[in-house]
Amino acid sequence: AQSVTQLGSHVSVSEGALVLLRCNYSSSVPPYLFWYVQYPNQGLQLLLKYTTGATLVKGINGFEAEFKKSETSFHLTKPSAHMSDAAEYFCAVSDLRRGGKLIFGQGTELSVKP
Amino acid sequence: ETGVTQSPTHLIKTRGQQVTLRCSSQSGHNTVSWYQQALGQGPQFIFQYYREEENGRGNFPPRFSGLQFPNYSSELNVNALELDDSALYLCASSQAQENEQFFGPGTRLTVL
Repeated sequence: AQSVTQLGSHVSVSEGALVLLRCNYSSSVPPYLFWYVQYPNQGLQLLLKYTTGATLVKGINGFEAEFKKSETSFHLTKPSAHMSDAAEYFCAVSDLRRGGKLIFGQGTELSVKP
Repeated sequence: ETGVTQSPTHLIKTRGQQVTLRCSSQSGHNTVSWYQQALGQGPQFIFQYYREEENGRGNFPPRFSGLQFPNYSSELNVNALELDDSALYLCASSQAQENEQFFGPGTRLTVL
């Protein structure tokens, strides 16, 4: 079975500050890991993904995440927050079957203060 | 390239009614997955279709059913609607081998 835990349902940072959104996963098979962003009243947009290979993954809008197998973590970071980053962020894990289902965490709402 | 589209955008139904939601997959994608996102929650996997056959199902009752058509578009049907079915329903399509799912904007269903 697979599961995802996102630590902190709400995170607030100042504009220009570091963004750190935490995600821990559980998986009995090598996981695929994803971060999605959701703006109000919209669907999900993929920020970045880890499948195999390099453990530091760079995504869109300056976000990156590092897969740490020993810590079962996949935390999302961005060096400098922008007002437009305010949104809901979801971490997800998938099994390796073709098109495998995504199992999402509960989400973290990011607020950015001016 | 057209992305994933869903219809309708919003829908209001009453308890006990039936509803059909529609999804057009992205060009070249043969796999469609459906998710339910209740307010303030992460999306929950309902089921997935690959080449017109169900390819996995989450913990949802049989009154949630689906179809995938030869052009890979899909429908989600929910019978005997309950108040707790009120949610954002998301459709995602993918190419089976790539395992990256592209989401549509969702259908907001309200059950009164």
